[in-house]
Amino acid sequence: ELKVEQNPLFLSMQEGKNYTIYCNYSTTSDRLYWYRQDPGKSLESLFVLLSNGAVKQEGRLMASLDTKARLSTLHITAAVHDLSATYFCAVDIYNQGGKLIFGQGTELSVKP
Amino acid sequence: EPEVTQTPSHQVTQMGQEVILRCVPISNHLYFYWYRQILGQKVEFLVSFYNNEISEKSEIFDDQFSVERPDGSNFTLKIRSTKLEDSAMYFCASREGPQGNQPQHFGDGTRLSIL
Repeated sequence: ELKVEQNPLFLSMQEGKNYTIYCNYSTTSDRLYWYRQDPGKSLESLFVLLSNGAVKQEGRLMASLDTKARLSTLHITAAVHDLSATYFCAVDIYNQGGKLIFGQGTELSVKP
Repeated sequence: EPEVTQTPSHQVTQMGQEVILRCVPISNHLYFYWYRQILGQKVEFLVSFYNNEISEKSEIFDDQFSVERPDGSNFTLKIRSTKLEDSAMYFCASREGPQGNQPQHFGDGTRLSIL
């Protein structure tokens, strides 16, 4: 059974600092997605990572994928309060109807 | 930008009652999904649907659950006899095709509260 594990689960940061969220998964896949969820809201697609070594950047967020290590990272640079949210990674089992298996989520709180 | 829409946003139902959650996927999308999220927990896959049939379902999706695409636009999730543990946020998602560069787009969810 595919397992997707994120760490840390809770992250309290000060504005201006850098940090990395890690996402490990237990089976071969080269399709990994990062989503953002604000409290009580839906999941917003942030990044689509489709191959080993893929790197995507949007503003202060950068995501990467290492399929050999079965690891994705989400790096936050110079955090700002607006980045406070829960971040989920999800792995796509494309030969099973494309279902997504989600990590537990990382609740990020950026304080002034 | 096209979006997935879900109704109602909040549904309160007595235990044992039937409930139908409705979704309108993005119009040119072909793959449809339901997920649920119990408060404070991770998002869990329930079922995927393509070409008018279920592609995959999880252990959660037992005989009490069913999905239907009754017309060209709606995609519904029915729970026949609700239990307290069915209380959760239910998300519908759709995707254009099976290619990896096409992420699933999620609706705003229906919060289901079973009393």
